[in-house]
Amino acid sequence: QVQLVQSGTEVKESGASVKVSCKASGYTFTGYYVHWVRQAPGQGLEWMGWINTDSGDAKYSQNFQDWVTMTRDASISTAYIELKRLRPDDTAVYFCARYCSASANCYATNAFDIWGQGTLVTVSS
Amino acid sequence: QSVLTQPPSVSGAPGQRVTISCTGSSSNIGARYDVHWYQQLPGTAPRLLIYVNNIRPSGVPDRFSGSKSGTSASLAITGLQAEDEADYYCQSYDSSLTNYVFGTGTKVTVL
Repeated sequence: QVQLVQSGTEVKESGASVKVSCKASGYTFTGYYVHWVRQAPGQGLEWMGWINTDSGDAKYSQNFQDWVTMTRDASISTAYIELKRLRPDDTAVYFCARYCSASANCYATNAFDIWGQGTLVTVSS
Repeated sequence: QSVLTQPPSVSGAPGQRVTISCTGSSSNIGARYDVHWYQQLPGTAPRLLIYVNNIRPSGVPDRFSGSKSGTSASLAITGLQAEDEADYYCQSYDSSLTNYVFGTGTKVTVL
C-alpha cells in the first residue's frame, strides 16, 4: 500500500525548533519529490517547498526559506522538515505530499497524489 | 494571500448541482499550467479529487467533474450527497512566483 506516515503531535515553546518526519512505503522513495504544505487552524493550504528525494536538493517558498530546512534519509525512505525559531503563529498542521511528476511511475501528472496524515505543531508563547 | 481565488462557501440541497470557481491569472492557470482539485473532509488530510483539469482518479465518483478555460477553472458536483460536505481546494503552478499555489478554499455545505 502506497502511503506516507508522519510523526506525531509536537508542542514547543516560542524560539524552539522542531523536526517532523514523513516515512514513505509501498513505492520507490527516490523516484518522487516530496512537498510540504502548511494549514493554520481554520485556514487554507499553503505550499512550503519541495525536496528532491534522490539528490537532496530543496526549493522553498519565499515565505518559508529563512526558517525551514527540508532533508531526507533515502536509506529509510523518510523526508524531514525542520522548522526553526518557532513563533505562536506557526501553530499549524504540516502535511507532506508525494508529487507525481511526468517522469515518475504514477498517473496524476503534476499533482500531489498521496498525502501524509498531517502533524500538528503547537507553539506556545 | 493566495493567487487563486475561490468562493468561501457554496451550498445545495441533496441531489442538486453546485459549482466552485477557481480564478487565477496569466502567470498560472492562464499560462496553461494544469489545475488539480483536492477534497478535505473535516479533520483529515486533503485527497486528490481531480487532476490535469478534468481527470478523476480511480475511486472518485463520476458526479465530480472539472473544467478549465482561460484564467479560470471550475469543479462541479452533480447529485450532491451529504458525504460531499467538505472543503475543496484548487491547485496549480505560478511562473511569476515559481511556486506551487493553492486556491483560497471553498466550504461545501449540504442543506
